[in-house]
Amino acid sequence: GENVEQHPSTLSVQEGDSAVIKCTYSDSASNYFPWYKQELGKRPQLIIDIRSNVGEKKDQRIAVTLNKTAKHFSLHITETQPEDSAVYFCAARGHYGGATNKLIFGTGTLLAVQP
Amino acid sequence: DGGITQSPKYLFRKEGQNVTLSCEQNLNHDAMYWYRQDPGQGLRLIYYSQIVNDFQKGDIAEGYSVSREKKESFPLTVTSAQKNPTAFYLCASSQPGLAGPSYNEQFFGPGTRLTVL
Repeated sequence: GENVEQHPSTLSVQEGDSAVIKCTYSDSASNYFPWYKQELGKRPQLIIDIRSNVGEKKDQRIAVTLNKTAKHFSLHITETQPEDSAVYFCAARGHYGGATNKLIFGTGTLLAVQP
Repeated sequence: DGGITQSPKYLFRKEGQNVTLSCEQNLNHDAMYWYRQDPGQGLRLIYYSQIVNDFQKGDIAEGYSVSREKKESFPLTVTSAQKNPTAFYLCASSQPGLAGPSYNEQFFGPGTRLTVL
């Protein structure tokens, strides 16, 4: 079935360094790719998303890139800060069985930013 | 974050009991979802509903049931048939087809942590 793979599962960086999280998806019909941040014990919150007609999107220190040919998309966080520490999930949306708004999530990346 | 609520925050279940988790939203969203979150496994879809009075099984529906009698409510029942129900349960809603910044964004509730005693 459709799936989204996410790597790495854990990532530790020094404050001020960059962090990159990568995801691949299986359904070539996927057209929307959100990234969620989940702090410990809290709900996931959308931090950035990208649609299939765009190759890159930036929002301050966060950027997402999409390579449709390779079915690959990545989250880039620059100048990391301790408050960036959280679990990050990627997701892909496609036309799975007629349900046009269903998301398939990756397994998450635990990012730890060391002060 | 406001607009979608879940209750209770913590729930304890004895073996053989059915329990119902509540999810309510006032965002006027048509679509609602239930996810289960286990360590290292991300978010797995249990059930979803694209519109009131309709719902469909997700990837791990066995041992769960839902109803969608009202647009704002999507309760999840964890039945005794679910063999390993201890997990963090998240409800979400979205407005399919809405253009603009909120296109397809799923808004999550605060979650219910269910523990089997």
